[in-house]
Amino acid sequence: DAGVTQSPTHLIKTRGQHVTLRCSPISGHKSVSWYQQVLGQGPQFIFQYYEKEERGRGNFPDRFSARQFPNYSSELNVNALLLGDSALYLCASSLTGNLGQPQHFGDGTRLSIL
Amino acid sequence: AQRVTQPEKLLSVFKGAPVELKCNYSYSGSPELFWYVQYSRQRLQLLLRHISRESIKGFTADLNKGETSFHLKKPFAQEEDSAMYYCALIKTSGSRLTFGEGTQLTVNP
Repeated sequence: DAGVTQSPTHLIKTRGQHVTLRCSPISGHKSVSWYQQVLGQGPQFIFQYYEKEERGRGNFPDRFSARQFPNYSSELNVNALLLGDSALYLCASSLTGNLGQPQHFGDGTRLSIL
Repeated sequence: AQRVTQPEKLLSVFKGAPVELKCNYSYSGSPELFWYVQYSRQRLQLLLRHISRESIKGFTADLNKGETSFHLKKPFAQEEDSAMYYCALIKTSGSRLTFGEGTQLTVNP
């Protein structure tokens, strides 16, 4: 098992554009969480999805949205990109919706906004 | 609001020396606390969690509710312990995992 896979690995966008990031969880994992990690800081929680429903949301504007598909993969969408959205976006999966279970992280998508 | 503070961004020790990575939290209830670690060129992964009360790779962490701390300790540091360490918290029946800013540990030979 390759573990959690994220695509693309790198992405460059300009202000005002929108972006879609993708995540495939470990086989059998039903929960996917998204995090934003700005350089020099810890990961910031954006969303958790479990069984295709939103279970938690962090302090991010409505420009950020996500969904989970029947195969438990997930997409994170960001509209009207700002320079401050430049960051590493991490996806993590776990067996259940309990965030206290080990979260298995992907390598992330590095998003740069010009 | 829940918050995790790791006061040291950088920590450097010599091999064989004791090491303590500090973590303080603010939350009025009963949180679950974790340490995650990221070794060079590897993914972020769980190191240990307080409810397990276990020792992983020689590391232990004790939850001190009075001091609202969850410091990570190891009596004899090894070079392979060099990594970025993140303390993290979720509140009871929480739907959000909150990370600290991380401490970069370097163990010198």
